[in-house]
Amino acid sequence: QKEVEQDPGPLSVPEGAIVSLNCTYSNSAFQYFMWYRQYSRKGPELLMYTYSSGNKEDGRFTAQVDKSSKYISLFIRDSQPSDSATYLCAMSGGGSNYKLTFGKGTLLTVNP
Amino acid sequence: DVKVTQSSRYLVKRTGEKVFLECVQDMDHENMFWYRQDPGLGLRLIYFSYDVKMKEKGDIPEGYSVSREKKERFSLILESASTNQTSMYLCASRSGGVYNEQFFGPGTRLTVL
Repeated sequence: QKEVEQDPGPLSVPEGAIVSLNCTYSNSAFQYFMWYRQYSRKGPELLMYTYSSGNKEDGRFTAQVDKSSKYISLFIRDSQPSDSATYLCAMSGGGSNYKLTFGKGTLLTVNP
Repeated sequence: DVKVTQSSRYLVKRTGEKVFLECVQDMDHENMFWYRQDPGLGLRLIYFSYDVKMKEKGDIPEGYSVSREKKERFSLILESASTNQTSMYLCASRSGGVYNEQFFGPGTRLTVL
């Protein structure tokens, strides 16, 4: 079983739709969870950062972590064509463990 | 804002050449990382450095070496480039301590002919 599983998509939605992106993981030591957005031919940019379980909201974006189910989600409300990108989940155990474990990314297209 | 810059956006080299990829961050971050990103394989860690002159192998270090002589600069070296090293190379930095998020540069698309 891979440490982090992420559906690669592609996911295509109409403008204004609510988008749900998800990752599952197997390592119960993971405590820090991140979502990155990567536009074509660019480096990933940090979108959301959460610690442990719960929700975090930032504008149209909500990150959700359920440690009991080992499941994290990113919701995008009122999606825009500019949200079209690849979304990567990432997680780490924290402390002296510097390494991030990434999902392979989900390609999202928001159609005008 | 954190700024991570990479020396080239696109690079074309020939098999057997020695290749240097440079990364600079301007936020006094302790830790720096080199990844490669390939379709279907995602991001894979090549090397990381947790302090000046300190380095540790990542998941795929074979064929690569690194250098960190100054805190702000982390170099990736391909001693003898091969075609299977054609990839997108991404540098990242992290502040250290309790903060785990990494900040990425724009990437270098390397093609080895």
